[in-house]
Amino acid sequence: KQEVTQIPAALSVPEGENLVLNCSFTDSAIYNLQWFRQDPGKGLTSLLLIQSSQREQTSGRLNASLDKSSGRSTLYIAASQPGDSATYLCAVVNTGTASKLTFGTGTRLQVTL
Amino acid sequence: NAGVMQNPRHLVRRRGQEARLRCSPMKGHSHVYWYRQLPEEGLKFMVYLQKENIIDESGMPKERFSAEFPKEGPSILRIQQVVRGDSAAYFCASSPQQGNEQFFGPGTRLTVL
Repeated sequence: KQEVTQIPAALSVPEGENLVLNCSFTDSAIYNLQWFRQDPGKGLTSLLLIQSSQREQTSGRLNASLDKSSGRSTLYIAASQPGDSATYLCAVVNTGTASKLTFGTGTRLQVTL
Repeated sequence: NAGVMQNPRHLVRRRGQEARLRCSPMKGHSHVYWYRQLPEEGLKFMVYLQKENIIDESGMPKERFSAEFPKEGPSILRIQQVVRGDSAAYFCASSPQQGNEQFFGPGTRLTVL
């Protein structure tokens, strides 16, 4: 059974700092991995999708990497801003599971002025 | 192109009543997924549907819960005889094909009194 863990559970950083969020998964037979952000009381916004054959994806100040063999992904946020404050979730689709996402526990990020 | 739409956004029901949650996928998307987020818990997969077919319902409780995605109209998640433990945020996601990036709606927050 796939289990996805995110460390740290919460993080507070001053504005402008670069930061790394970690995601680990127990079963390396994944089809893809997706990073989301969730604002309080809101839905999920898709940030990046990495296919199992890819090593990284970039979008603006965000860069996500994937090391499938070790069961790890990182989300790098450059030059953090107060608007980045949210909960960040990673989720994986296992091969042979017809697209269902297994979510991590989330990292609650606060970027202070 | 409108995103995934869910209604109602908030739903209050008394124990024993029925709850109907609706999801309209993004234009051109024929794959729909339902997830549930219980208070202080992570998101859990419930059911995956393609037009007129249930592909995977492994995460949906066997009793009281049902889902459909008819040829015409939105996908419906139906909960019969609701209990307090059904109180949660229910999210719908859609994708154009199996294995593609999933885009989430704003969710329906169900409160059972």
